[in-house]
Amino acid sequence: ETGVTQSPTHLIKTRGQQVTLRCSSQSGHNTVSWYQQALGQGPQFIFQYYREEENGRGNFPPRFSGLQFPNYSSELNVNALELDDSALYLCASSWDRGFEAFFGQGTRLTVV
Amino acid sequence: AQRVTQPEKLLSVFKGAPVELKCNYSYSGSPELFWYVQYSRQRLQLLLRHISRESIKGFTADLNKGETSFHLKKPFAQEEDSAMYYCALSGVDSSYKLIFGSGTRLLVRP
Repeated sequence: ETGVTQSPTHLIKTRGQQVTLRCSSQSGHNTVSWYQQALGQGPQFIFQYYREEENGRGNFPPRFSGLQFPNYSSELNVNALELDDSALYLCASSWDRGFEAFFGQGTRLTVV
Repeated sequence: AQRVTQPEKLLSVFKGAPVELKCNYSYSGSPELFWYVQYSRQRLQLLLRHISRESIKGFTADLNKGETSFHLKKPFAQEEDSAMYYCALSGVDSSYKLIFGSGTRLLVRP
């Protein structure tokens, strides 16, 4: 059984650019949640996808968007990058909503 | 708004000493509380959840609804307990999103 994997591990982008982060959920998991973790802070909920539909969104602007595919893998897209978007982005999958969330290793995004 | 507060950024203890990592939450409903741990160079992982009432790696946590607290305790700290600990709240909506505190770094000295 493979765990949650995220790609890429690290990424450097320029302000104003767009970025796509990817997450492969753990086998059998239909729910994927994305979190942003700024330096020195706890993870903050961005949104969740459940069976390919968005199922909850945190306090993030519309330039943060996502997708979930039929195999339940997921993408996080961020448009018009700002310096404050620099953070660790975590993906977590679970067997269903409310079940234990298993986290990926994260993608470190640096916006310069 | 729902919130989780971990008042200590760093807690340093000697091996064998008792440990208590504090967590307070604000939520008017019936909360689900968790402790997550991140060891050096490892991913965030669940340590324990209040509904299971288990003791994991010698750690326990009791939900106190009157004081809105969910403190993590261990009677005798080990060096391998050194890690980042996050308290989290869930069950506030259908997403069961996790609302995290800012974390406490536990350093167990030999």
